[in-house]
Amino acid sequence: DARVTQTPRHKVTEMGQEVTMRCQPILGHNTVFWYRQTMMQGLELLAYFRNRAPLDDSGMPKDRFSAEMPDATLATLKIQPSEPRDSAVYFCASRISSGANVLTFGAGSRLTVL
Amino acid sequence: AQSVTQLDSQVPVFEEAPVELRCNYSSSVSVYLFWYVQYPNQGLQLLLKYLSGSTLVESINGFEAEFNKSQTSFHLRKPSVHISDTAEYFCAVMRSDKLIFGTGTRLQVFP
Repeated sequence: DARVTQTPRHKVTEMGQEVTMRCQPILGHNTVFWYRQTMMQGLELLAYFRNRAPLDDSGMPKDRFSAEMPDATLATLKIQPSEPRDSAVYFCASRISSGANVLTFGAGSRLTVL
Repeated sequence: AQSVTQLDSQVPVFEEAPVELRCNYSSSVSVYLFWYVQYPNQGLQLLLKYLSGSTLVESINGFEAEFNKSQTSFHLRKPSVHISDTAEYFCAVMRSDKLIFGTGTRLQVFP
C-alpha cells in the first residue's frame, strides 16, 4: 500500500529553534505539496513542487520558512527561527502531475513551539 | 478565482439518520471537485471526486455527492450514518493545478 511518509510525527521545541520536517512522497509521484492545518486558518497551501522544482510558495512566510526537494524521494520544510504561531500540523501530499489525479496525504507532523 | 464554502462547521446527527454536508464553489470554468475525510490524528483521505461525466459520484462506504452546476454545489450525502463516520470532512476544488480546501465540517455521530 503506497503511502506518503512524514517525519517527525510530533515535535515540541522552544521558540527560536530550527525545525525541519521531512516527507517521502509516493514513488513515481512527481508533484509534492506542503499544507499547514490550524484551528483558526484550516488547511493552507504553503508550497508545491513539480519534478523537484518549486512552482508556488506564495503561501509560505518567506522570512523564516523554506522548502526544498534535494531529490525525488525527499521534500523538506524548514522553519528558522520557529515561533509559537507556527504551532500546527504540517501535511505533505503527493500525486502524479495531472490535476485530475488524486492527492495522497501523509499522516502529518504536529509541531508545538513553546 | 475558485474558492470553496462549507456552510456548516459542525453537523451533529444520530446513528442511522441521513446526513448532508454542504459545499458550494465559485468558478466560471470547468471544475474538478473533491471530498476528503480526516479521522482524528490522521491525514486526509480521498472520499470521492468529480472530474466529468455523471454528476452523481459515489464512494465505497456509502457516501455520494452530486455536482450541480446551476447551483454551484457539490453536497455530500449519506442515507444512514454510522458511529465510525465521525470525522472532519473537507470539500476541495482544483485551482490552477492546486487543491484548495474549504474550512471543513465536523460530523459527529451519536448513538
